[in-house]
Amino acid sequence: QKEVEQDPGPLSVPEGAIVSLNCTYSNSAFQYFMWYRQYSRKGPELLMYTYSSGNKEDGRFTAQVDKSSKYISLFIRDSQPSDSATYLCAMSFFTGGGNKLTFGTGTQLKVEL
Amino acid sequence: EPEVTQTPSHQVTQMGQEVILRCVPISNHLYFYWYRQILGQKVEFLVSFYNNEISEKSEIFDDQFSVERPDGSNFTLKIRSTKLEDSAMYFCASSDRGSETQYFGPGTRLLVL
Repeated sequence: QKEVEQDPGPLSVPEGAIVSLNCTYSNSAFQYFMWYRQYSRKGPELLMYTYSSGNKEDGRFTAQVDKSSKYISLFIRDSQPSDSATYLCAMSFFTGGGNKLTFGTGTQLKVEL
Repeated sequence: EPEVTQTPSHQVTQMGQEVILRCVPISNHLYFYWYRQILGQKVEFLVSFYNNEISEKSEIFDDQFSVERPDGSNFTLKIRSTKLEDSAMYFCASSDRGSETQYFGPGTRLLVL
């Protein structure tokens, strides 16, 4: 079983739609959960960070963590063509010398006009 | 806004040659990382560096790899004798004390021929 599983897509939605992106994980030691956005051939850009279970909202983005189910989600409201990118979930736990991020494979999202 | 920078953006080398990839992390950050992403695959952790020493490394980070912080601003990844399978995008990242969020550079695309 992979440590972090993410549906690679591609996911195609019309402009204005609500997008739901998800990851599951197997390592119960993960404490920190992040969503990154990656445009083609660019570095990952941090979108959202959450610690432990619960919801966090930032503008059109909502991150949700359910540690009991080992399931995290990112919701994008009123999606725009500029949201077209690959979305990576990442998770970690602090070991004293830093956080090793474990990434999902990424979900490719296309928002169509 | 402070950002992580990386040079060169692209590097082409012959198998068996040494390469040095350079990074300038965000200036007040204390934890430094290298990740790689083979084309079409997920982002993978290579190594973390804190307090002038390696704090964690992955199985990928074998004796051919080394990292160094030669001065107060640069962080380098050296591959001593490159192999074809080292062809990938290499990302540097950094984070602050007490922060679990890592900020990524734009990457160096390495092609080994």
